[in-house]
Amino acid sequence: AQTVTQSQPEMSVQEAETVTLSCTYDTSESDYYLFWYKQPPSRQMILVIRQEAYKQQNATENRFSVNFQKAAKSFSLKISDSQLGDAAMYFCAYRLLQYGNKLVFGAGTILRVKS
Amino acid sequence: DVKVTQSSRYLVKRTGEKVFLECVQDMDHENMFWYRQDPGLGLRLIYFSYDVKMKEKGDIPEGYSVSREKKERFSLILESASTNQTSMYLCASAAGARIVGNTIYFGEGSWLTVV
Repeated sequence: AQTVTQSQPEMSVQEAETVTLSCTYDTSESDYYLFWYKQPPSRQMILVIRQEAYKQQNATENRFSVNFQKAAKSFSLKISDSQLGDAAMYFCAYRLLQYGNKLVFGAGTILRVKS
Repeated sequence: DVKVTQSSRYLVKRTGEKVFLECVQDMDHENMFWYRQDPGLGLRLIYFSYDVKMKEKGDIPEGYSVSREKKERFSLILESASTNQTSMYLCASAAGARIVGNTIYFGEGSWLTVV
């Protein structure tokens, strides 16, 4: 079975500090995309960052960056200079080439930001 | 901006009722999805469709069916609602049957309570 594991149900970070959210996944496929989505209290899912599995270079988007370890099947998200608006549920997900766009999600990590 | 619209944000239905959740997207996307979100379980795929009148079962299709008669509309049907179907339901859409890099767009969710 294809699975995504987020081992941290909740995390807290002080404003302006850095936090890392963990994610591991399990797939026998070699070609896929990895994603981090943010879901604020409004429940609207927002794409934070994505990584192509064939690329060795880690993706970055402003304060958000990933540490992609393909052999270990690990895909962690680092948020630098945390802001109050970063408080949300964060989901790790991957998408296989087969069937195009089927996303498999982890259970999510609630991130709390303290002022 | 791409818009995925779920017609009902909050519904309360009785056990045994037939329930329709409607989703419409305005970007001519081929792929559409229905997910269910529950605490501690993340998002789980119920059904998806990669073309009009085409549908595929996801990970938890039991108790649900879908309809896609027009490209822009994807309906989730609960033939006989049960209390264990109380949940939040998320619709999503994406372009391209085989282009996994395409962004998936989500609706705002439909909260369903079955009493």
